[in-house]
Amino acid sequence: DTAVSQTPKYLVTQMGNDKSIKCEQNLGHDTMYWYKQDSKKFLKIMFSYNNKELIINETVPNRFSPKSPDKAHLNLHINSLELGDSAVYFCASSQVTGLYEKLFFGSGTQLSVL
Amino acid sequence: AQSVTQPDIHITVSEGASLELRCNYSYGATPYLFWYVQSPGQGLQLLLKYFSGDTLVQGIKGFEAEFKRSQSSFNLRKPSVHWSDAAEYFCAVGAGNTGRRALTFGSGTRLQVQP
Repeated sequence: DTAVSQTPKYLVTQMGNDKSIKCEQNLGHDTMYWYKQDSKKFLKIMFSYNNKELIINETVPNRFSPKSPDKAHLNLHINSLELGDSAVYFCASSQVTGLYEKLFFGSGTQLSVL
Repeated sequence: AQSVTQPDIHITVSEGASLELRCNYSYGATPYLFWYVQSPGQGLQLLLKYFSGDTLVQGIKGFEAEFKRSQSSFNLRKPSVHWSDAAEYFCAVGAGNTGRRALTFGSGTRLQVQP
């Protein structure tokens, strides 16, 4: 069983479209994240949810809207897609053991905006 | 704010040779430090982590890393590289004072292994 699964794996779309990426974790974790990895492989946090509540919202355009219907799911909706949104988006969930938080990543969604 | 620098974008080593990947961090307090590996088409997998205690930490797949506070470094090492180690490696620092420990990642080092 895949611990953190995200769909679709590849997404090719035109500028101006609206698209969603779904993420589900079956690990029972309370916290989930969206990370963006750009063409230079730089990985940057976008959002974090804890028990369906938004707790981290980095400087991300408001065209990006995360939605967490329950703590096992964190979906990412993107409105009016732009060329610069092309990247690989990673979902992750985390487990906190004492001071240490371990992230479990999905395999990524490669978004290409044409 | 914390930051992570991985000075080497790309490293090539021969199979069986030793490996050291560099990581420098900037953080005001005692950092939580991590190394992740990303195989092609895959998400990131945790190799090892440091947050206190012994400054030499052991991880999976024969990797180790040493925390040097005086140099603000957390370099990853492996004595003998295997072809399957070819991947992208990311160093990360945890922001312990945010209450949610969001990780800041370096830009990664791509490792190629020659036969």
